[in-house]
Amino acid sequence: GAVVSQHPSRVICKSGTSVKIECRSLDFQATTMFWYRQFPKQSLMLMATSNEGSKATYEQGVEKDKFLINHASLTLSTLTVTSAHPEDSSFYICSARGDRVGTGELFFGEGSRLTVL
Amino acid sequence: AQSVTQLDSQVPVFEEAPVELRCNYSSSVSVYLFWYVQYPNQGLQLLLKYLSGSTLVKGINGFEAEFNKSQTSFHLRKPSVHISDTAEYFCAVSDQNTGFQKLVFGTGTRLLVSP
Repeated sequence: GAVVSQHPSRVICKSGTSVKIECRSLDFQATTMFWYRQFPKQSLMLMATSNEGSKATYEQGVEKDKFLINHASLTLSTLTVTSAHPEDSSFYICSARGDRVGTGELFFGEGSRLTVL
Repeated sequence: AQSVTQLDSQVPVFEEAPVELRCNYSSSVSVYLFWYVQYPNQGLQLLLKYLSGSTLVKGINGFEAEFNKSQTSFHLRKPSVHISDTAEYFCAVSDQNTGFQKLVFGTGTRLLVSP
């Protein structure tokens, strides 16, 4: 199956710093990528939809200036958590839709655990 | 808008016993339905999906699910579980209103398999 890779898998940072998480589709072109956030023992909450070459679409309640998303190529999307604070600590997961549009299937990265001290 | 309900937050079961994880969805239009599994500190792996056709869908690791339109359900089943099946299971739906582009997840069910 298609492979989506996230990096880093774990990151610890100090409050006030910015952290960038990368999401790559390794063997297919992903025109659309999605970023989710998962709190402990909770479900995945969609944060934003990232389309290659255009601005991301953010879900209600998600601060676009806080969570910067860049989908610069068909295989790479990045999420930057700016001026991170302890409440931003979470598990962030990206997913990508392959070129078989209409199947609805998403391929997920391994996730990135962010801890803000 | 579509939504997913997983009533059981946790399901304990003994090894080699059968298990059913319940999922109900809400949507007034055509849907695609999915079950994903998540192992600790990992991303999600697709178990199976229903897009159309046969309502009984078979997936990986011996899991299967049945789409029941009248009951708006998509319960996941396995006839005999293993210790290694211990994980979090998420049901998800996308529907025609979003062009099947957006997945909405349930709150998840933790399957705990003990010897």
